[in-house]
Amino acid sequence: DAGITQSPRHKVTETGTPVTLRCHQTENHRYMYWYRQDPGHGLRLIHYSYGVKDTDKGEVSDGYSVSRSKTEDFLLTLESATSSQTSVYFCATGQFSGNTIYFGEGSWLTVV
Amino acid sequence: KNEVEQSPQNLTAQEGEFITINCSYSVGISALHWLQQHPGGGIVSLFMLSSGKKKHGRLIATINIQEKHSSLHITASHPRDSAVYICAVRSGTGGETSGSRLTFGEGTQLTVNP
Repeated sequence: DAGITQSPRHKVTETGTPVTLRCHQTENHRYMYWYRQDPGHGLRLIHYSYGVKDTDKGEVSDGYSVSRSKTEDFLLTLESATSSQTSVYFCATGQFSGNTIYFGEGSWLTVV
Repeated sequence: KNEVEQSPQNLTAQEGEFITINCSYSVGISALHWLQQHPGGGIVSLFMLSSGKKKHGRLIATINIQEKHSSLHITASHPRDSAVYICAVRSGTGGETSGSRLTFGEGTQLTVNP
């Protein structure tokens, strides 16, 4: 398994506060992804990165921003958290486009 | 209608039974993934396939591109197989900047009782 670490693993925050989730990988994979998982939905792509400083939006990107200043780290920021962003967030990585992807353990975020 | 449909949503089996989970999709794809999500959340990739059949231990994955359908089989099921099994498809080939943009099914919750 790829070495993917997400932090924090659990967080409770108040509506309107900024929140940053960190994904750290040790495999030197080119591609990194942020997904959210909610009941009644499959995993949905928020943002992804195809290289340092190269990012693009996924299907549910509103209210989220990302940054990738180095290969190993991909940050997901909720600028002003809302209750609809309560979810489980998964980071994933992959070496090649279309190849196997590897998931982190998930970050449980509750916005109250 | 979702692009990726899994059936059944929930499945309970007795230890030793043969398990089949189905995945149907509505778009042309370049690859299909089967993933396993354990209680506690961790997600592991089981298979990636674009044609035919793959086998790993007691797990077998098949795909029929013409029928837009894939199945995941578990032989001699065991309580440790209890997990959510997720099907995901990659549409088209995209390019180097498109990454592996997958569309996921909602998952099948499998419970294997001793």
